[in-house]
Amino acid sequence: AQSVTQPDIHITVSEGASLELRCNYSYGATPYLFWYVQSPGQGLQLLLKYFSGDTLVQGIKGFEAEFKRSQSSFNLRKPSVHWSDAAEYFCAILSGGYNKLIFGAGTRLAVHP
Amino acid sequence: NAGVTQTPKFQVLKTGQSMTLQCAQDMNHNSMYWYRQDPGMGLRLIYYSASEGTTDKGEVPNGYNVSRLNKREFSLRLESAAPSQTSVYFCASSEALLATGNNQPQHFGDGTRLSIL
Repeated sequence: AQSVTQPDIHITVSEGASLELRCNYSYGATPYLFWYVQSPGQGLQLLLKYFSGDTLVQGIKGFEAEFKRSQSSFNLRKPSVHWSDAAEYFCAILSGGYNKLIFGAGTRLAVHP
Repeated sequence: NAGVTQTPKFQVLKTGQSMTLQCAQDMNHNSMYWYRQDPGMGLRLIYYSASEGTTDKGEVPNGYNVSRLNKREFSLRLESAAPSQTSVYFCASSEALLATGNNQPQHFGDGTRLSIL
């Protein structure tokens, strides 16, 4: 069965530092992968998606993610974090038909000034 | 462009009461979804509707019913609310089906925060 694991529940970084959020998936074929961000009290906003092709995917707000099939990973990165990036981040995989998604448990990011 | 609109934003119920959560999208999307979000568990799919007139169970459908009223609207009903249904509920919509090869991401509403006492 498909699954998504986000090993880090909470991460704290200093403003201006680099960021990497981990995501591992379990899926038998080529996965369709997503990263979403959720600001407090808000819905989920799509940061980026991977369907095929180039394994380094650029998203909004300066985020990127790299798909590594050998490691079953799709880690999210940002070179320099801003205070406004404090939020919860969800990795998700497309599951079966009708665009259904399976989400990881999320990683809550705190940013220190 | 409102996107996906959910009402109400907050609700407190007593155990055993019934409640319908409303969701509407103005993007002409075929598919709509209801999720619940609980701490440490991410979002879990309750029900989805691939197209107008169809609905199917997701991962956690027990205790819920849904209605796809038309292409725009997809409601979620709790017939007899239980404390275990205290959660944040999200509605989402997406444009295309996997079968078309055009896998568009889901667009989410801002959520309904539901507490059941």
